[in-house]
Amino acid sequence: ETGVTQTPRHLVMGMTNKKSLKCEQHLGHNAMYWYKQSAKKPLELMFVYSLEERVENNSVPSRFSPECPNSSHLFLHLHTLQPEDSALYLCASSPVMGVSTGELFFGEGSRLTVL
Amino acid sequence: QKEVEQNSGPLSVPEGAIASLNCTYSDRGSQSFFWYRQYSGKSPELIMSIYSNGDKEDGRFTAQLNKASQYVSLLIRDSQPSDSATYLCAVGMNTGNQFYFGTGTSLTVIP
Repeated sequence: ETGVTQTPRHLVMGMTNKKSLKCEQHLGHNAMYWYKQSAKKPLELMFVYSLEERVENNSVPSRFSPECPNSSHLFLHLHTLQPEDSALYLCASSPVMGVSTGELFFGEGSRLTVL
Repeated sequence: QKEVEQNSGPLSVPEGAIASLNCTYSDRGSQSFFWYRQYSGKSPELIMSIYSNGDKEDGRFTAQLNKASQYVSLLIRDSQPSDSATYLCAVGMNTGNQFYFGTGTSLTVIP
């Protein structure tokens, strides 16, 4: 496995379900990110972890709960979501946190549909 | 005011032509600028980064940065159908020390 991998690639859930998205990076990076991509909107940064510590939480509703057990793994726990939460959720990593680090490396994304 | 603005398109060019994509940004102190390509149903992949004023060329791609005017552009020469994708402009802003993305420009190269 190389790069950034995300599972599942597609997820359909009801508003009362609880599910989790998983991200794993094999690049030895210290920073990991969750972005939300909705149609005709810019990528929205949701959470940033640096060395397993959350350093950014951009006013994300509490129905989204991130977890970073180590520098290679990142989870996004989902519960009681709303239909407007349907989107593509992208995980990304970078060598260290911050804009001086250069590019972000993205996973393939998890397409979430909330019914 | 949006932090990063792009024309959403769609932009259509014939095969072999030059495609020109533009992006403006709000934070004058921004230092790093990126163009990502995103095929439908796929993740964004970096195609160009630029940090200094002027042009940077990589194969058929040229990124142009003008910090005084706060714009960055991407030129694709000899456009190919395989270049058909959405192109995302991203700017590393000191505000919040994070990357801000535009909404993307959809490009279609017509054979």
